[in-house]
Amino acid sequence: EVVLTQSPATLSLSPGERATLSCRASQSISFYLAWYQQKPGQAPRLVIYDASNRATGIPDRFSGSGSGTDFTLTISSLEPEDFAVYYCQHRHNWPWTFGQGTKVEL
Amino acid sequence: EVQLVETGGGLIQPGGSLRLSCSASGFTFSSAFMSWVRQAPGKGLEWVSVIYTDDSTYYADSVKGRFTISRDNSKNTLFLQMNSLRAEDTAVYYCARVSLLNWFDSWGQGTLVTVSS
Repeated sequence: EVVLTQSPATLSLSPGERATLSCRASQSISFYLAWYQQKPGQAPRLVIYDASNRATGIPDRFSGSGSGTDFTLTISSLEPEDFAVYYCQHRHNWPWTFGQGTKVEL
Repeated sequence: EVQLVETGGGLIQPGGSLRLSCSASGFTFSSAFMSWVRQAPGKGLEWVSVIYTDDSTYYADSVKGRFTISRDNSKNTLFLQMNSLRAEDTAVYYCARVSLLNWFDSWGQGTLVTVSS
């Protein structure tokens, strides 16, 4: 099973600042990684797929990079609505797994 | 607009069974891959199962042999039959559409399953 480790667990930032979230895989997963955003009491929302592609409706301040075992989600300038928990997830093989999440807090 | 509405959650005793449903609209259900993802209270996300348009299915090891995913294309509905429930199955269960690239691109609001005596 591929284990995804996200860091940091919590990121304390202010609006306008840059957020850099990391996801490391226990084995190579090529580019088969996605990022999801989840706000309290809401379902997750797809943000980035295949490591670097923005999902429909996602603003361009969100970007993803990486391949193999190391991946990054960057939010170039935080907006108030971006404060949430972010999860990475792979689809390289079975079972699909998620990271434990990074909370971006004010 | 894609809509996914889960029903069937509730309180169930350990060892019991429950069947979750997910009613889909706003897209061609019969052509869609579908999945269940769960989230224990205060915890992260865990993929549970997926079903493809050819009815092939895959499961997380934690539910294999106890849970069964199925679909009724005539009713645009996805199901999750859960047997031999355990306390650790307590979670919000989300129904999610899976894109052709195998990502969860639309989610329902979830239904809470609580396994407790």
